[in-house]
Amino acid sequence: KNQVEQSPQSLIILEGKNCTLQCNYTVSPFSNLRWYKQDTGRGPVSLTIMTFSENTKSNGRYTATLDADTKQSSLHITASQLSDSASYICVVSAILDSNYQLIWGAGTKLIIKP
Amino acid sequence: DADVTQTPRNRITKTGKRIMLECSQTKGHDRMYWYRQDPGLGLQLIYYSFDVKDINKGEISDGYSVSRQAQAKFSLSLESAIPNQTALYFCATSTRERYNEQFFGPGTRLTVL
Repeated sequence: KNQVEQSPQSLIILEGKNCTLQCNYTVSPFSNLRWYKQDTGRGPVSLTIMTFSENTKSNGRYTATLDADTKQSSLHITASQLSDSASYICVVSAILDSNYQLIWGAGTKLIIKP
Repeated sequence: DADVTQTPRNRITKTGKRIMLECSQTKGHDRMYWYRQDPGLGLQLIYYSFDVKDINKGEISDGYSVSRQAQAKFSLSLESAIPNQTALYFCATSTRERYNEQFFGPGTRLTVL
């Protein structure tokens, strides 16, 4: 069964500190992996997308990694800011019958404290 | 102005009532989606539409129906609401491109008493 699991479920860190969020998936056949940020009361917004051939991609203070062999991805946040408080959702896309199926993780809730 | 809008933003209704959630977009995207989000769970796809004449069931379509009135409008209906349909509902849009990013509306918080 195609699944996406994220850890930790929630995380509290102090402003200015770094953190890493994990995403493990059992999705086949794999197409791509995307990280979304969801602020409280808002819809998710895409941060970055990782395709099969990409290992690392940065978007400002966010750096995503992908290990297609172990089926793991991580999202590293550097020098956290209060505005980083949000849920971070990992979504993996599978190709099924020429259509793309999205399998959503439950998300990691990140709280940044001053 | 927001690219994807949803109305209402909040709704409280009673068991057995029919309710409609509406979604409009100004992004010019062909594809539109309805998702449901419950605490501790990933987003679940209810219905999706790749163009005005194309409607497809998602993983949890039972108890829901949709209407694609135009390229820019996609409505979700609960024919007879029940308490376990209490959730946050999101509309999303995307292009036809490969690796297409989905753009989400602000969500509708629905409570069924």
